Amino acid sequence: DAGVTQSPTHLIKTRGQHVTLRCSPISGHKSVSWYQQVLGQGPQFIFQYYEKEERGRGNFPDRFSARQFPNYSSELNVNALLLGDSALYLCASSPGDLGNTIYFGEGSWLTVV
Amino acid sequence: GQQVMQIPQYQHVQEGEDFTTYCNSSTTLSNIQWYKQRPGGHPVFLIQLVKSGEVKKQKRLTFQFGEAKKNSSLHITATQTTDVGTYFCAGITSGTYKYIFGTGTRLKVLA
Repeated sequence: DAGVTQSPTHLIKTRGQHVTLRCSPISGHKSVSWYQQVLGQGPQFIFQYYEKEERGRGNFPDRFSARQFPNYSSELNVNALLLGDSALYLCASSPGDLGNTIYFGEGSWLTVV
Repeated sequence: GQQVMQIPQYQHVQEGEDFTTYCNSSTTLSNIQWYKQRPGGHPVFLIQLVKSGEVKKQKRLTFQFGEAKKNSSLHITATQTTDVGTYFCAGITSGTYKYIFGTGTRLKVLA
């Protein structure tokens, strides 16, 4: 069975641009969450979606948005990129919503120059 | 806000020595998970602890959840070079949807 898949794996953007990152959860999983991991730190929670509804949001500016599609895949969008948005963006899926084990994808490395 | 701290931040050990990392939350957790992240990789799930005082073992790894469900530890017996990586704990509080990750402990094993 395929795990969580993310695309693209690496990308470089310039300041002010917009980026869309994509995630496909494990088959049968209905929850997707997004995390940002800056080099040398632990992952920071951005969003969680369950059954296409936003269930949680971390302390990130409105430039960050996400959505979940009927097939449970998800997109993370970041507008007006800043240098500080450079990080590994991790998607994780889980079967349900609260308190489930989450399974991470390999992440999308974003570099903003 | 809720914080999860881990100590130590770094640990270098000789191969064969034991290693322990400690995780402390500012709030009571409903469960805690442990992850291992190799350099350049993504966090890989190791285990989940749910019950107060719970102890779980995976081969050379022993995980504990404190009685108050605010702290946890991971102990590795007789480390091997394959144990190299950063170990993160991640806790979730009842009624919330987000896991709060600890600051991580970076383990280096010297052969």
